[in-house]
Formats: sequence, structure tokens, C-alpha cells
Amino acid sequence: DVKVTQSSRYLVKRTGEKVFLECVQDMDHENMFWYRQDPGLGLRLIYFSYDVKMKEKGDIPEGYSVSREKKERFSLILESASTNQTSMYLCASSWYQETQYFGPGTRLLVL
Amino acid sequence: DQQVKQNSPSLSVQEGRISILNCDYTNSMFDYFLWYKKYPAEGPTFLISISSIKDKNEDGRFTVFLNKSAKHLSLHIVPSQPGDSAVYFCAASKRSQGNLIFGKGTKLSVKP
Repeated sequence: DVKVTQSSRYLVKRTGEKVFLECVQDMDHENMFWYRQDPGLGLRLIYFSYDVKMKEKGDIPEGYSVSREKKERFSLILESASTNQTSMYLCASSWYQETQYFGPGTRLLVL
Repeated sequence: DQQVKQNSPSLSVQEGRISILNCDYTNSMFDYFLWYKKYPAEGPTFLISISSIKDKNEDGRFTVFLNKSAKHLSLHIVPSQPGDSAVYFCAASKRSQGNLIFGKGTKLSVKP
């Protein structure tokens, strides 16, 4: 079974804080993705990575950065958290062009 | 510009009946389509997929139909069960690229 884990299920941060969201997959997948889900907006792609140390911007990369130092780990960084970054953050992984498998999500509240 | 559209934000169905969830797309280069199911406070779970070389794929109670000329796909759930109540996302991709484009989701409620 594919397993994608995310470091926190719930997180509360203050405006201006630097926030790290970690994602780990155990299936040796090449591709990893970060999305955010907001009511009425569906899933929107923030960043993705096709290989270690490689990253590509998605549809809404502003205010975020990512790091992929190891194949199994993909980190999303909010450089200076803002209230409009309150959301559900979802990590996914896949082999090349195959089906994406999602982690349980991190619900982030920025006060 | 939305490339994948789910025009019904919600759908209510009686237990035992058929649920039909619809999805339209605009990009004729898409060649792989998927449906995901999502419960509140959980990540989406892969349900079923279809390649553009097929027009139907079936897995138990779930069937996906693809009409390429109309750029339309649908998910049929028969019979519907209360545990099917969730948000369903349609997604599409060009397999050469690997990233998915998601619709905004349809919330299905199956009433006992």
C-alpha cells in the first residue's frame, strides 16, 4: 500500500511566522506535489517536483517555497505566514505520469 | 480559465439509487482522467481512472464513462450507499506531463 504521511494534522501559527510542512512517501515515487484545498475552489497546485532538488511552480506559488533534498521527502515552506494562507494543505506523490496518492492533509490556521 | 469543470456543487440521492456525477473539460490534449473521493479532514482517495483510448471503465459499484467528442466524463455509483457521501473531484492530465488539473468538486449526499 502506498503511504504518504504529513508531519501535522492541525497547525496554528501567527502572522509573520515561518512555517514548515513536511511530507514523506514510502513508495520510491519520482513525483511529489503540494496542493491547497479551499471551499468552492477545489484543489490548487502550489509546487511540484519531478526529482530530488528539482521543483516546478504550480498555479499559486506566491508566498510559498519548497525543498526536496531526498527522494522521499518534500517540504512546503511558508516564508512569512499570512491569514490568507489559512487552508487545508495536501501532499501527493506518484510514479512518473501515474495516479497521484494523497496524504491525510494538514489544516493550517494563521492568526 | 477552468480547464476541468464540475458544474454541480452538490447532489442528493436516495440510498440504493444511482448517483451520477458529471465533469466537463476544455483541453482536447488531456488523455487521462481520474475521480477522487474526499471525506472532511482527510486527503483525497483515488477511486477510478480512464484513459482516452477507452470510453468506459468499471470497478465494482463505480463506472466511469468518457465521451471525447463532448469532452465529458461521468461517474456512476450503483447502488449508492450512505458511506458514499463525500466530495468527489474529477481530475485530468496529459500523461506526458504528470500533473493533474482538478475540478472544484461535487458534494454527494446519500440519504438512508
